[in-house]
Amino acid sequence: QKEVEQNSGPLSVPEGAIASLNCTYSDRGSQSFFWYRQYSGKSPELIMFIYSNGDKEDGRFTAQLNKASQYVSLLIRDSQPSDSATYLCAVTKAAGNKLTFGGGTRVLVKP
Amino acid sequence: DADVTQTPRNRITKTGKRIMLECSQTKGHDRMYWYRQDPGLGLRLIYYSFDVKDINKGEISDGYSVSRQAQAKFSLSLESAIPNQTALYFCATSDRTSLETQYFGPGTRLLVL
Repeated sequence: QKEVEQNSGPLSVPEGAIASLNCTYSDRGSQSFFWYRQYSGKSPELIMFIYSNGDKEDGRFTAQLNKASQYVSLLIRDSQPSDSATYLCAVTKAAGNKLTFGGGTRVLVKP
Repeated sequence: DADVTQTPRNRITKTGKRIMLECSQTKGHDRMYWYRQDPGLGLRLIYYSFDVKDINKGEISDGYSVSRQAQAKFSLSLESAIPNQTALYFCATSDRTSLETQYFGPGTRLLVL
């Protein structure tokens, strides 16, 4: 079992819709959770991170964490074609510790 | 100018050759990392360094070595390249005061024939 699992996709969503991405992790000791966006051929860039159970919103993005069920999700509201990318989930066991990445979910937003 | 740079950006080499990938940063960060990325496998950590005198193995260090020549420089070497080391390699940095955020370089695309 991989430490961090994501559906590889592609997740196809129409422009203006909500894209919902899920990530599960195996280590109950994981404490910090991150979402990175990676455009094709480019380097990953951090979208947001979350530490506590519940929701965290940043613009059109919302991260949701449920430690009891060991999953973290990312919602993208009002999806735009520019959101078409691969989204990487990453977790760490403690602040400042090394990140473990999932395989990524490819998102395609169709006009 | 980019804060994290990698050289070369693309490299083709032959099996058995020694190759070095270099990473430099102007962010003043003390922590540096090397990852490789293969399709569908996300990013996997090769080595990381929390300061100049600190080197740690990641999950896939076999066949690789690193050198932290200075706070700003972290090099990755493949002593004897093999075809399954064909991948996209990323260097990243982070700061002890903002540990959550890793800043990635542009990547080096390596092809081993």
